[in-house]
Amino acid sequence: GESVGLHLPTLSVQEGDNSIINCAYSNSASDYFIWYKQESGKGPQFIIDIRSNMDKRQGQRVTVLLNKTVKHLSLQIAATQPGDSAVYFCAAIYNNNDMRFGAGTRLTVKP
Amino acid sequence: EPEVTQTPSHQVTQMGQEVILRCVPISNHLYFYWYRQILGQKVEFLVSFYNNEISEKSEIFDDQFSVERPDGSNFTLKIRSTKLEDSAMYFCASGAEWSRGETQYFGPGTRLLVL
Repeated sequence: GESVGLHLPTLSVQEGDNSIINCAYSNSASDYFIWYKQESGKGPQFIIDIRSNMDKRQGQRVTVLLNKTVKHLSLQIAATQPGDSAVYFCAAIYNNNDMRFGAGTRLTVKP
Repeated sequence: EPEVTQTPSHQVTQMGQEVILRCVPISNHLYFYWYRQILGQKVEFLVSFYNNEISEKSEIFDDQFSVERPDGSNFTLKIRSTKLEDSAMYFCASGAEWSRGETQYFGPGTRLLVL
């Protein structure tokens, strides 16, 4: 069946470094991917998305890369700041609106 | 900035009791969703709602669950007879468009604890 997962449950980086959070998905029919940030006690917050007809998309300090060959998605955060500390998870959308979430990676930014 | 609100923030109930979780979506949104997140686990889709009816539901959303938009502002999730395994964080979301992502906003969640 479909699954969406993350490679690492935790990631610790120094402030100012770049962070890379990875996600793997199993269903090649997925056509839309989203990265969310979830801070403690809050709901998921949209960060960036990418459609399957793209392999890269950039936002403000964030970049999402999609490798459909190996069914892998990554989120890159440039110049990581303490406010970036949160759980990050990906979501993949299948069949137009069937949405599956990954488990999440906890990013800790050390000052 | 408009936001989705949810009440209560925390709810403790006895197994077998009914609970109603309330959400106030963003006012001009037309699509409404409920998700749940069991502690330490993935967010899971429960149901989507549009035009006063359920659009989609997951296998989790069985007969003990129901949703309602009783008036022009509230969107509720009712669990008829709670089970221990219903303990989770329940998130409401609303969106201006059918597709998810940037147009979908999540509320802060209601933490439900079933004893």
